[in-house]
Amino acid sequence: EAQVTQNPRYLITVTGKKLTVTCSQNMNHEYMSWYRQDPGLGLRQIYYSMNVEVTDKGDVPEGYKVSRKEKRNFPLILESPSPNQTSLYFCASSLDWAAAEQYFGPGTRLTVT
Amino acid sequence: GQQVMQIPQYQHVQEGEDFTTYCNSSTTLSNIQWYKQRPGGHPVFLIQLVKSGEVKKQKRLTFQFGEAKKNSSLHITATQTTDVGTYFCAADNTGGFKTIFGAGTRLFVKA
Repeated sequence: EAQVTQNPRYLITVTGKKLTVTCSQNMNHEYMSWYRQDPGLGLRQIYYSMNVEVTDKGDVPEGYKVSRKEKRNFPLILESPSPNQTSLYFCASSLDWAAAEQYFGPGTRLTVT
Repeated sequence: GQQVMQIPQYQHVQEGEDFTTYCNSSTTLSNIQWYKQRPGGHPVFLIQLVKSGEVKKQKRLTFQFGEAKKNSSLHITATQTTDVGTYFCAADNTGGFKTIFGAGTRLFVKA
C-alpha cells in the first residue's frame, strides 16, 4: 500500500530533550516536506527536500533540523525542544516539486512541557 | 512573505444547505490546490487548478480559479454530514519550491 508513515504518533517530552520524528514513504517520491499545524494558522511548512541531500527552509524553520540521506526517509529533528514547538506535525511527499498532489502522513502530536 | 488568506474560519450549516470557502492572494498564483482534512485525520488532496477562470467539478463540489489567478473558491452543494472537516487551499510559492497553505475553513454540518 502506498503510504507515508510517521513515528511516533504521539509524544510528550520536556524542554531541551532532543527528539527525532521519523518519516518514511514507499512511493519513490522525490519531494518531501514537513509541516506544523496550529489552530487558526493552518499548515505551515518547516522544511522541504527536493531530493536526496537537497533540503531547504520553509516558512518556520527555526528550532528544527532535517536530513535526507535516503530517498524514502526524511526525519525531523528538534535539538532542544521548547513549549512553543507543541503542535501537530505532518510529513508529506509528492512525486516531484511540480506534482500537484502531496500525500500526507497520519501526523505526530507533540507536547513539550 | 507570500500569503494565502482563507475565509471564513468556521461555517455551521444545516444538512442540505450549500457551503462556500474562499481563498485570496495579493499576488498572482501559478496554481492552487484544495485539500480536505477530516477531524482527527490528515489532509487529503482534492484537486488542482492551473488555468485562469478554470472551473472543475467533483460530484457536489465545484472549484473555481479566478480570472486574475488571485482567488479561488470551493462550493459544496447540498452538504451532507460526510462533508464535515477542514478545507484548505494551498499554492506554490512564486519563484520558489515552497507550498503556502491557507488557514483553512472548518465546516460543521448539522443533521
